[in-house]
Amino acid sequence: DGGITQSPKYLFRKEGQNVTLSCEQNLNHDAMYWYRQDPGQGLRLIYYSQIVNDFQKGDIAEGYSVSREKKESFPLTVTSAQKNPTAFYLCASSMESNQPQHFGDGTRLSIL
Amino acid sequence: QKEVEQNSGPLSVPEGAIASLNCTYSDRGSQSFFWYRQYSGKSPELIMFIYSNGDKEDGRFTAQLNKASQYVSLLIRDSQPSDSATYLCAVNLPLYGGATNKLIFGTGTLLAVQP
Repeated sequence: DGGITQSPKYLFRKEGQNVTLSCEQNLNHDAMYWYRQDPGQGLRLIYYSQIVNDFQKGDIAEGYSVSREKKESFPLTVTSAQKNPTAFYLCASSMESNQPQHFGDGTRLSIL
Repeated sequence: QKEVEQNSGPLSVPEGAIASLNCTYSDRGSQSFFWYRQYSGKSPELIMFIYSNGDKEDGRFTAQLNKASQYVSLLIRDSQPSDSATYLCAVNLPLYGGATNKLIFGTGTLLAVQP
C-alpha cells in the first residue's frame, strides 16, 4: 500500500540531546513537509522540500534541521537548541505544492 | 488578522442532522482549499478539496467556496457519531510570485454528533 511512514510513534528526549524523526513515503510525491501541532493549536510548518537536495524554512524552523537526500525520505532532527520540543510532529507529502497533502501517523515527542 | 479562521466550537448537532463548518481566509491569491478531519490523538485525514467557486459534493460531504467573500465551508449531511472529530480548514498561500505554495491551517472546529 502507498503511504507515509513515520517512526518512531513515541520518542523521549533528554536535555542536551538531538533526536531524529523519520519520514518515508512511497507515493512518488515530490514535495514533503514537517509540521508541529501543540494542544489547541493548528499545524505550524517547520520545514518543507519541493525536490531532492532542496528545502526551505517554514514558520518555526529555529531549533530544527532537515535533509532531503532521497525523494522518499525527509528526516527531521530536533536539536538541543529547541527549548520546547514537546509536541505532536506530523510529516506530509504532496505531488506538487498546491496539491492535497497526505499525512503520516505522527510522532509524539516528550522531554524526559 | 489570522490568515485562516475557524470557530473552535464545540459544534454540537444531533445524529442525522446537517453539520455546517465554516472557514474564512485572508489572502485573495489563495487558489486551493482543503478540509481535513482529525480524530483525537490521530493525524489529519484529507476529506475534501475544492479549487473553484461553488459546491463540490462527495457522498455526505459538500464543500462550498466563495472567493469573493473569502469563505469556504463544509457541510456534513446525515451526521453520525463517528463524524465527531476536529475539522481543519487549510488554504494555500502562494509564495515567490506563485512559484510555490504552502498550506496555512486553521485551528480547527470540534464537531460533536449526539446520538
